[in-house]
Amino acid sequence: AAGVIQSPRHLIKEKRETATLKCYPIPRHDTVYWYQQGPGQDPQFLISFYEKMQSDKGSIPDRFSAQQFSDYHSELNMSSLELGDSALYFCASSLIQGRTEAFFGQGTRLTVV
Amino acid sequence: DAKTTQPTSMDCAEGRAANLPCNHSTISGNEYVYWYRQIHSQGPQYIIHGLKNNETNEMASLIITEDRKSSTLILPHATLRDTAVYYCIVRVNRDDKIIFGKGTRLHILP
Repeated sequence: AAGVIQSPRHLIKEKRETATLKCYPIPRHDTVYWYQQGPGQDPQFLISFYEKMQSDKGSIPDRFSAQQFSDYHSELNMSSLELGDSALYFCASSLIQGRTEAFFGQGTRLTVV
Repeated sequence: DAKTTQPTSMDCAEGRAANLPCNHSTISGNEYVYWYRQIHSQGPQYIIHGLKNNETNEMASLIITEDRKSSTLILPHATLRDTAVYYCIVRVNRDDKIIFGKGTRLHILP
């Protein structure tokens, strides 16, 4: 069965650079969630989208932005990267009107040097 | 404020049942109890959820007390691959975002 696909799996950036993480939800899923997990921390909710509109917002820094496109894939854009942005970034998808739970991708490991 | 309280860590012998408790004394009538787990650095994985009744699927069983203030996740025959952090989450409905608390780090011992 198709799962949530995230790319890239690993990314190394320098401070003050920009990074773009991509998330491809399970086919027919219309909701995407983004999470950040720092070293030794629990996943923290960043932002979510339903039908291409932002549906909820968590502890997402102003330097980050995200959107969901017409094909339902989502991108998380991170600018002016800081060392503290080094983390695992997970994307999850669900079918809001259906009976599916949120399914998570394998994450993107971002390292800022 | 945390909606759930779980032990920080637990050990269980391989092949035995692992019973993971969760307290959610402030749960509202329309809130479900969800369980997810995260195997080291992998994406969190859905296990099971319930509202009032006990639930069972191919992975686990969920026992919810009658007053709904606590629940227990049961892995009937734990294997080494069940070593993970287990999160008990209270959630209004399956459309709401998942808020992860501290979770229980379960170690399965050979």
